[in-house]
Amino acid sequence: QVTLKESGPVLVKPTETLTLTCTVSGFSLSNARMGVSWIRQPPGKALEWLAHIFSNDEKSYSTSLKSRLTISKDTSKSQVVLTMTNMDPVDTATYYCARISIGIEGDGFDYWGQGTLVTVSS
Amino acid sequence: SSELTQDPAVSVALGQTVRITCQGDSLRSYYASWYQQKPGQAPVLVIYGKNNRPSGIPDRFSGSSSGNTASLTITGAQAEDEADYYCNSRDSSGNHLYVFGTGTKVTVL
Repeated sequence: QVTLKESGPVLVKPTETLTLTCTVSGFSLSNARMGVSWIRQPPGKALEWLAHIFSNDEKSYSTSLKSRLTISKDTSKSQVVLTMTNMDPVDTATYYCARISIGIEGDGFDYWGQGTLVTVSS
Repeated sequence: SSELTQDPAVSVALGQTVRITCQGDSLRSYYASWYQQKPGQAPVLVIYGKNNRPSGIPDRFSGSSSGNTASLTITGAQAEDEADYYCNSRDSSGNHLYVFGTGTKVTVL
């Protein structure tokens, strides 16, 4: 059974750095055809893809947020960590981690965590 | 970076067919995937690739693509299909950058 679970602070202050952890089970972060992404959704708004890491440690970042994001993984702990610097109230959102499966038939975020709401406020 | 545009809202009578579209340049090169999101829940993958449904997704959901437009069709919409739907594809720059559509609210009347 594949599961992903996000953890981290529910409240951060402006200018602080956010660190979120995604703990996965039911699959390995060393699986060549899979990766883990972070995706966020401000209240009442659309989904926004943030960052991505693959088994070979290949990383990709949203163009608009690249300077603020760092993604990493610890395969032995089955964890993917996202840090976002210089948090602002506009970064208030539910943050999801999701597994992406890469295939000849196309890509898909096939499993998602429940999400964690992060509020940025002083 | 790429953008994927969706109509904000559509409605469909119970049992009828509704098509949700997603437009963007990246769709000329990459397949779209589609996600259903109900209030307070995480998104669920309903279609990926040319027209593939994950296990457990009803066959009333189907996908298609032409040029810069991808479509999700619900044939015989049910009350439980009322939700927000998002498309997603790789960014037109390639690699593994992704972009989500603006989302479509589907109301089943």
